[in-house]
Amino acid sequence: EAEVAQSPRYKITEKSQAVAFWCDPISGHATLYWYRQILGQGPELLVQFQDESVVDDSQLPKDRFSAERLKGVDSTLKIQPAELGDSAMYLCASSLSAVGTGNTEAFFGQGTRLTVV
Amino acid sequence: AQSVTQPDIHITVSEGASLELRCNYSYGATPYLFWYVQSPGQGLQLLLKYFSGDTLVQGIKGFEAEFKRSQSSFNLRKPSVHWSDAAEYFCAVGRYNFNKFYFGSGTKLNVKP
Repeated sequence: EAEVAQSPRYKITEKSQAVAFWCDPISGHATLYWYRQILGQGPELLVQFQDESVVDDSQLPKDRFSAERLKGVDSTLKIQPAELGDSAMYLCASSLSAVGTGNTEAFFGQGTRLTVV
Repeated sequence: AQSVTQPDIHITVSEGASLELRCNYSYGATPYLFWYVQSPGQGLQLLLKYFSGDTLVQGIKGFEAEFKRSQSSFNLRKPSVHWSDAAEYFCAVGRYNFNKFYFGSGTKLNVKP
């Protein structure tokens, strides 16, 4: 069964260091989402791609976060410099097309648990 | 603004008992509705979805949910809970022709033996 792949599963980094997460969506999925989930809360959308284009990054802290999906397939989310408050689970999801544009659903990866010390 | 409310933060039920988790949303248009489940340290797994048609939808693991437009609700139900159902459950809502969807804050389910 096709899955969304994320790596690493766990990452511990020191404050002010750079950190990067990788996501490989299900083959053929045009839409890719990055969510941040703070412990005890629901996922919050950081950025949404349609193919290689950013559709929504309104909640992405652009002073320290960046995301790219250069060839419209896999994607990288970077934080530089990391802060203590960035400790969270970072989830990647993909869908055939954007949820709401048709009868489509999003599939999630296992996530990357980031701890900033 | 759109919002998704899951009023119960924690719920504890006995194994074998029935379960209902509540979800309310505030959208004017026809919503796209989802329930996801998350085990500790894991990603989200889709339990069921509603796009249109029959308002009672069946999902995996014996779960079902009912869309009630008049109450702006999409409550998740299971007739008999198993210990393996202990997890966190998230309701998510999208909107036709609006390419975002939003999550509620989740309900953590504990199952007593």
